[in-house]
Amino acid sequence: GAVVSQHPSWVICKSGTSVKIECRSLDFQATTMFWYRQFPKQSLMLMATSNEGSKATYEQGVEKDKFLINHASLTLSTLTVTSAHPEDSSFYICSAGGTENYGYTFGSGTRLTVV
Amino acid sequence: DAKTTQPTSMDCAEGRAANLPCNHSTISGNEYVYWYRQIHSQGPQYIIHGLKNNETNEMASLIITEDRKSSTLILPHATLRDTAVYYCIVRVGSSFGNEKLTFGTGTRLTIIP
Repeated sequence: GAVVSQHPSWVICKSGTSVKIECRSLDFQATTMFWYRQFPKQSLMLMATSNEGSKATYEQGVEKDKFLINHASLTLSTLTVTSAHPEDSSFYICSAGGTENYGYTFGSGTRLTVV
Repeated sequence: DAKTTQPTSMDCAEGRAANLPCNHSTISGNEYVYWYRQIHSQGPQYIIHGLKNNETNEMASLIITEDRKSSTLILPHATLRDTAVYYCIVRVGSSFGNEKLTFGTGTRLTIIP
């Protein structure tokens, strides 16, 4: 089945700094990837759709200048949280298109803690 | 995509079948039913999906009612590793291009030893 690798698994950063999270499709090409955010005891909320070679599409209420998405190749999308604040602490998860037999495949997630 | 309704939580004894219901009364004819689960602090894992026929794979069975307004995910012999939040999602199509998935609140299934 399709495999999506997400890195890092966890990161702690200081307020005001930026953090980059990578999402890679290991055995397939993904023209589209999705970024989700999940707060404790809540469901996944879609943040944006990452499109290879073009601008990402952000969901309503998500600041595009704060959450920078780059999808420069068919196997890599990155999410950069700029000028991070404690309220950005969350679990960030990416997903990419899989196959009819396996559905969308999700990365293992990145736990971001801003101190 | 159609909205789904699931119980907030359920318990099931280890070794027994776990039956997780999902209501999707506003489902359209071209919308599929998907099930994913999320084990604590991990990304969601695909389980199974179907359109109108019942489906079975190595993980679970999916029973869809004839009117398609509800479905049941069945884990035939639940183990402690099946403790997770289970999400029922309906969406258009079975291809995986740029169609996003919208997650509801899911059912927190706890397997009791």
